[in-house]
Amino acid sequence: DGGITQSPKYLFRKEGQNVTLSCEQNLNHDAMYWYRQDPGQGLRLIYYSQIVNDFQKGDIAEGYSVSREKKESFPLTVTSAQKNPTAFYLCASSMGNVHYEQYFGPGTRLTVT
Amino acid sequence: KQEVTQIPAALSVPEGENLVLNCSFTDSAIYNLQWFRQDPGKGLTSLLLIQSSQREQTSGRLNASLDKSSGRSTLYIAASQPGDSATYLCASRNQAGTALIFGKGTTLSVSS
Repeated sequence: DGGITQSPKYLFRKEGQNVTLSCEQNLNHDAMYWYRQDPGQGLRLIYYSQIVNDFQKGDIAEGYSVSREKKESFPLTVTSAQKNPTAFYLCASSMGNVHYEQYFGPGTRLTVT
Repeated sequence: KQEVTQIPAALSVPEGENLVLNCSFTDSAIYNLQWFRQDPGKGLTSLLLIQSSQREQTSGRLNASLDKSSGRSTLYIAASQPGDSATYLCASRNQAGTALIFGKGTTLSVSS
């Protein structure tokens, strides 16, 4: 089956620890994205990548880092510098052209205490 | 900067009713607009994508329209069912980049 997988579904961490969220797609999409969703708010863009080995900051990149070493993978690291890391994180992908749909993974709920 | 607004934030209707969800955006220079469905605790499911050159798109009981000049899009759901209960999100892709800009969503509840 083609699609986007995110793991784990739930993640718990202590404050001060870095944590990496996985995102893999087998849709052969060029572009990949990370969004954050908080209750009562729309999705906000953290980082996006249009091609391998290249990525750009979104609106709320502070405290996060990414890499894009392979076309199918776009992991997100939530660092200890992120002040409010508890949230629902969604990964998405699309063909590189802006006219194509974005498809989303099932999400990872991160809780930091 | 593009702002996307969805009104109302919540809507409750009885089964069988036809309904319209609204989405407005401030910058009409968009490539396209996409409607999504989100069930509680889940990811987003793409429903319809309307390119800036199109007026509407249809999929089954769903019909989405786009009026760029007025900065509005609507999602029409015909003959609503309890299984349609979810949060519906609209998002525009503006000409400054490739990422989507989302509204906060309308949470729909359809009672049987």
